[in-house]
Amino acid sequence: EAQVTQNPRYLITVTGKKLTVTCSQNMNHEYMSWYRQDPGLGLRQIYYSMNVEVTDKGDVPEGYKVSRKEKRNFPLILESPSPNQTSLYFCASSLSTGQGSNQPQHFGDGTRLSIL
Amino acid sequence: AQSVAQPEDQVNVAEGNPLTVKCTYSVSGNPYLFWYVQYPNRGLQFLLKYITGDNLVKGSYGFEAEFNKSQTSFHLKKPSALVSDSALYFCAVKGKSGAGSYQLTFGKGTKLSVIP
Repeated sequence: EAQVTQNPRYLITVTGKKLTVTCSQNMNHEYMSWYRQDPGLGLRQIYYSMNVEVTDKGDVPEGYKVSRKEKRNFPLILESPSPNQTSLYFCASSLSTGQGSNQPQHFGDGTRLSIL
Repeated sequence: AQSVAQPEDQVNVAEGNPLTVKCTYSVSGNPYLFWYVQYPNRGLQFLLKYITGDNLVKGSYGFEAEFNKSQTSFHLKKPSALVSDSALYFCAVKGKSGAGSYQLTFGKGTKLSVIP
């Protein structure tokens, strides 16, 4: 089954304790992206990757890191989490024919992070 | 900067009645337009997209959307609502930013409630 898998689905942790949210897709998609969803703000893009070893900042990259060493994986790293990063996070992937691609994105089921 | 507006936070409709979820956008050049649906505890699922051609686009689950260039709108419609259509709906636009790169921007979402 074609899917985007995120782990963990839920995490409660404390300020400053490094964490990683994994994302994996099995569709051989070039493009992958991370979003955060907050009430009243919709989805905001954190980082995206057009292909292996190519990553770029989205609208709200502060406090986050990503890496794209393999095509299928795109982990999100919070080196020193803070309470304002408490949110619902989504990973997405799509085929890409370049930046102007009109392909829809496939989303994971989300990771709910609570930073105390 | 490009933007997407979903003017209604919530739309209530009786089962069997037609439904409309509104979306307007602002973007340079020709846009790619998308609708996604989010069910509780799930990621976003692609419904339909407009790229070019016929202004009326048909998508999954009986949904359709009409692209109106003069009004810069892309309203989502369904002739007869089902209780199972109750969910959060997101409109998204992809266009060329001032720097020449492409950017995908989501609206803040509209919660659709279909009343039995």
